[in-house]
Amino acid sequence: EPEVTQTPSHQVTQMGQEVILRCVPISNHLYFYWYRQILGQKVEFLVSFYNNEISEKSEIFDDQFSVERPDGSNFTLKIRSTKLEDSAMYFCASSVGSETQYFGPGTRLLVL
Amino acid sequence: AQSVTQPDIHITVSEGASLELRCNYSYGATPYLFWYVQSPGQGLQLLLKYFSGDTLVQGIKGFEAEFKRSQSSFNLRKPSVHWSDAAEYFCAVGPYSGGGADGLTFGKGTHLIIQP
Repeated sequence: EPEVTQTPSHQVTQMGQEVILRCVPISNHLYFYWYRQILGQKVEFLVSFYNNEISEKSEIFDDQFSVERPDGSNFTLKIRSTKLEDSAMYFCASSVGSETQYFGPGTRLLVL
Repeated sequence: AQSVTQPDIHITVSEGASLELRCNYSYGATPYLFWYVQSPGQGLQLLLKYFSGDTLVQGIKGFEAEFKRSQSSFNLRKPSVHWSDAAEYFCAVGPYSGGGADGLTFGKGTHLIIQP
């Protein structure tokens, strides 16, 4: 069964550094999403992407974040200058339409 | 704005006993409703979903959920739990936009503990 994959599974970085989180959505899906889950808190929507542009974004998704689909298979989330409060699990998801979203296993980001 | 409430942070159930996890939502129109499960160190796996039609929906792993519009609830049930059901369970709501890529709104989750 096709799955969403994410790399790396864990990332440790220093405050102020840039990180890129990578995702490979399910191949025939058209909509892509990033969510985050700070430890002990709920999963929160960051951004959705469709037709090579951002479709929706939450207030969390500020100027330090960006997303890109650099080729036909990868979908990336870049955090330009990481802060301590960016430490979280980041989930990628994809969907065929605007309905059922399938999630990847997540990348645990730790900012020191 | 939509919201999801899962009133139980932790629930402990004996193996073989029945289970009900509560979920209440707030949304002005017809929502899409989902239950996801997260095992330790794993991602979010879709258990079941409700879009329209029959208000009792069946999912994977023997789970079912019932949509009650009058109560704004979408409770998850299983008649007999197994030790492997121990996990975090998230209820989520998505808007029926008919298009677009709106994000899901999640509840805070319910941690299910299975006693032998």
